[in-house]
Amino acid sequence: NAGVMQNPRHLVRRRGQEARLRCSPMKGHSHVYWYRQLPEEGLKFMVYLQKENIIDESGMPKERFSAEFPKEGPSILRIQQVVRGDSAAYFCASSMARGNQPQHFGDGTRLSIL
Amino acid sequence: GESVGLHLPTLSVQEGDNSIINCAYSNSASDYFIWYKQESGKGPQFIIDIRSNMDKRQGQRVTVLLNKTVKHLSLQIAATQPGDSAVYFCAENSGAGSYQLTFGKGTKLSVIP
Repeated sequence: NAGVMQNPRHLVRRRGQEARLRCSPMKGHSHVYWYRQLPEEGLKFMVYLQKENIIDESGMPKERFSAEFPKEGPSILRIQQVVRGDSAAYFCASSMARGNQPQHFGDGTRLSIL
Repeated sequence: GESVGLHLPTLSVQEGDNSIINCAYSNSASDYFIWYKQESGKGPQFIIDIRSNMDKRQGQRVTVLLNKTVKHLSLQIAATQPGDSAVYFCAENSGAGSYQLTFGKGTKLSVIP
C-alpha cells in the first residue's frame, strides 16, 4: 500500500545549479499538488497538476520554477539557477479527485543550497 | 490576507490526558477542513477532515469540532500517548470545490510520560 513517494529525500545544490524533485502519487490518484515549507512554518501551496495538465500554478514563482506531470512517470518540480532562498522542504500531495478531498503527502525533499 | 492560525504554538500534556488543539480561520467561504500531524523529518499525515455542513466528526481517539459562528476548529485527542508528540496543522480550502489548502503555522504537542 505505497503512499506518495518523493525522491530524493535530501538534495544539495550550489547556487546556479538546477534541482529536480520527483513525486509519484498514490495508486489511483491523478491529482498532484506541490507545497513548500520553510522551517517552523506551515505549508504554502505552489502548483496543482493533473496528468499532462497544469491546472493552477498561482503559488509558484514565475521565474526559474516549473512543474510537469507527464502521462507516464512521476511529477517533476524543477528549479533552475537555484538561489539560497530556495532552501526549504518541498512536499508533494495527491488526491483521488479535485476539491474537498483529503490530500495525502509524501515525506518531502529537503533542498539545501550552498 | 485571510489565513488560518492557531491559538497556541506549544502544548504539553501528561500521558493519558486528553489534548485539545485549537485553530482559528478567517475565510468564511472555506467549507472543508483537515487536521494533519507532522513528525520530525516527515510529511504531514492526514488525521481527520470535516465539511462545513457538520459541526463534529469522530475518528479513532480523535474528534474534530467546527464552530462556524466564531470560525473556530479544534482537534481533541483522547488518552494522549507519547506517539502523539508532533506538530499539528489545521488546513482549510478556500471555498466550494477549491483544491488549494491553506495551512496554519502549527502547534507542537509534547506528551510527558
